[in-house]
Amino acid sequence: DAGVIQSPRHEVTEMGQEVTLRCKPISGHNSLFWYRQTMMRGLELLIYFNNNVPIDDSGMPEDRFSAKMPNASFSTLKIQPSEPRDSAVYFCASTHWGGDTDTQYFGPGTRLTVL
Amino acid sequence: AQSVTQLGSHVSVSEGALVLLRCNYSSSVPPYLFWYVQYPNQGLQLLLKYTTGATLVKGINGFEAEFKKSETSFHLTKPSAHMSDAAEYFCAVSDRGNRLAFGKGNQVVVIP
Repeated sequence: DAGVIQSPRHEVTEMGQEVTLRCKPISGHNSLFWYRQTMMRGLELLIYFNNNVPIDDSGMPEDRFSAKMPNASFSTLKIQPSEPRDSAVYFCASTHWGGDTDTQYFGPGTRLTVL
Repeated sequence: AQSVTQLGSHVSVSEGALVLLRCNYSSSVPPYLFWYVQYPNQGLQLLLKYTTGATLVKGINGFEAEFKKSETSFHLTKPSAHMSDAAEYFCAVSDRGNRLAFGKGNQVVVIP
């Protein structure tokens, strides 16, 4: 299994630009999570989906952030417009909802730098 | 809502010495408990987990953790630290609704 795949691995952009982060979950998993990690705030859950449906987006910082999951094998996290304070590592994780352990499998992350 | 407390953001340990990372949880239902490890510039990797059954759980790289319900704890140990154990370690709890609550993490530094 290829594991959770994220792209790009690194993104450098200028303030005001649109940023799109991509995630491919493990095949057969039906829950997908987006996290943000910073030195100051640690690991924060932004949003998660079950069966492609957003369940809880209370962690999304503001309206500049949006996430979609058009099908079981693909999700995007978009920031528009981006700001320097959005600089962080963004992780995607997946699991099999309805399984018996809730183990989440993480991708390698996207390191976002907004100048 | 469930939560996890990890004290001491940075933990220094000498090579060959015991590694002990403390985790206390709060959960309204019997919890599932996890330890994840994050090496520099990588994602989180599952180290071990407790779901049901034996309360002493063994994981990868010689780590183990013991679930103690009376103490609401799930401390992580390794008898002898190796330089390759330098990483950040996260404890997490699930309420079995597939959402995890993570602690703030412990950055482990191994001193030669």
